[in-house]
Amino acid sequence: DTGVSQDPRHKITKRGQNVTFRCDPISEHNRLYWYRQTLGQGPEFLTYFQNEAQLEKSRLLSDRFSAERPKGSFSTLEIQRTEQGDSAMYLCASSPSPGQGPYEQYFGPGTRLTVT
Amino acid sequence: AQSVTQLDSQVPVFEEAPVELRCNYSSSVSVYLFWYVQYPNQGLQLLLKYLSGSTLVKGINGFEAEFNKSQTSFHLRKPSVHISDTAEYFCAVSPSGGYNKLIFGAGTRLAVHP
Repeated sequence: DTGVSQDPRHKITKRGQNVTFRCDPISEHNRLYWYRQTLGQGPEFLTYFQNEAQLEKSRLLSDRFSAERPKGSFSTLEIQRTEQGDSAMYLCASSPSPGQGPYEQYFGPGTRLTVT
Repeated sequence: AQSVTQLDSQVPVFEEAPVELRCNYSSSVSVYLFWYVQYPNQGLQLLLKYLSGSTLVKGINGFEAEFNKSQTSFHLRKPSVHISDTAEYFCAVSPSGGYNKLIFGAGTRLAVHP
């Protein structure tokens, strides 16, 4: 297994445009997480999935953000009407679910979003 | 709710010297504890974790950490650092049992000088 992958690695967009990021988790992991990391800060939780079900959403995830995991495999994170404050690194992670294996989140390389 | 405080934003140290990066957490329930390392423009790599059992945990690259429940701390240590250890280090907690979200501290920048 090659680990968690994210695409694209970098995205530059103009304010007001929509962007979509993709995350491919480790294939046997049922859980998938999204985090946002701004410069000089630790990652902040956005949302997570158990298979295709979205189990928790942070209050950071405004109405402009939506995440999906339609077939319980890859996930997409869409930001509509981007704002400069959305500029950040978006990190995806996956883990086993309880009973599936010891708990550890494996992170992808991240997608760096710059909104101009 | 849980929170994590990393007491030092930056730690400068000379090569081959020992280092300790401090982490304190707050939680009303039992927690799992983690240390991750992040190199520039990369994702996070797990150094070590405490889920249960022995409070002294050994990880990769010669790092270890000790869980102290009474002091709600999980400090990271290495007896002799290398230039290649220069990176950002993050402490994280998660409520135990549920495999839920991680709550991260703000990070500690470790700068190893020759």
